[in-house]
Amino acid sequence: AQTVTQSQPEMSVQEAETVTLSCTYDTSESDYYLFWYKQPPSRQMILVIRQEAYKQQNATENRFSVNFQKAAKSFSLKISDSQLGDAAMYFCAYRRNQFYFGTGTSLTVIP
Amino acid sequence: DVKVTQSSRYLVKRTGEKVFLECVQDMDHENMFWYRQDPGLGLRLIYFSYDVKMKEKGDIPEGYSVSREKKERFSLILESASTNQTSMYLCASGARLRGLNSPLHFGNGTRLTVT
Repeated sequence: AQTVTQSQPEMSVQEAETVTLSCTYDTSESDYYLFWYKQPPSRQMILVIRQEAYKQQNATENRFSVNFQKAAKSFSLKISDSQLGDAAMYFCAYRRNQFYFGTGTSLTVIP
Repeated sequence: DVKVTQSSRYLVKRTGEKVFLECVQDMDHENMFWYRQDPGLGLRLIYFSYDVKMKEKGDIPEGYSVSREKKERFSLILESASTNQTSMYLCASGARLRGLNSPLHFGNGTRLTVT
C-alpha cells in the first residue's frame, strides 16, 4: 500500500516569512498525482496545489509552490510571505487510484 | 463551486445507537468517499462508492456500512455506535478516476461523540 509521511506534526512561521512543509511518499508507480490540502479551523478541506508526477516543472499557485523530487519521492510545500490566514492543518496526499493522506502538519503563523 | 454538504456538524450519540451520517454533493460526481480523521492518524478511508448502489471497503470498514441509493447522496451508517467511533467524519466527492488530477471536494465534517 502507498504511504505518505509528514514528519513535522507542528510548524510555526513569522508573518511575512517563508516556511516549508515536508512530505515523502512511497510508491512503485511512475504516473500519479500529488496534492496539498489545507484544513483551517472551520474544518473545510481546501485544495492548495497539485502536481503531476510526469511533469518536471514544480507547480505554483500564488504564494504556494512545491519542490517535487520524483527520484527522492519528496513533495514539499513552500509558503511565501506567510499570512495569518495560512494558519491551518496541511495534508499531503498521493493519488494513483485512491487518495492516500499523510498525518498532517499543524502550521501556526506568529504575528 | 462544488458543494459537499454534511447534514450535521456535531452529533452526540449513545453507545449501541444506530447512527446515520448523511452527505450530499451537487456536482454530479461519480465518486464519493467517507473518511475518518483522528489526531496523529490523518485521514483514513472507511468506504467509497464509484456509482449508485456500488460500494467498496476502504482501510477501516469494520463497524460501518454505507448506502448510495442516489448519485448525489452517500450515507455512512454506524450499526451500533461504540466509544471508539468518536471521531471527525469527512465526506468527499470527486469526478470519475479517468482524470488522476481530479481533486477531492470535502464537506465541513461531522464531529461525532459516542458516550
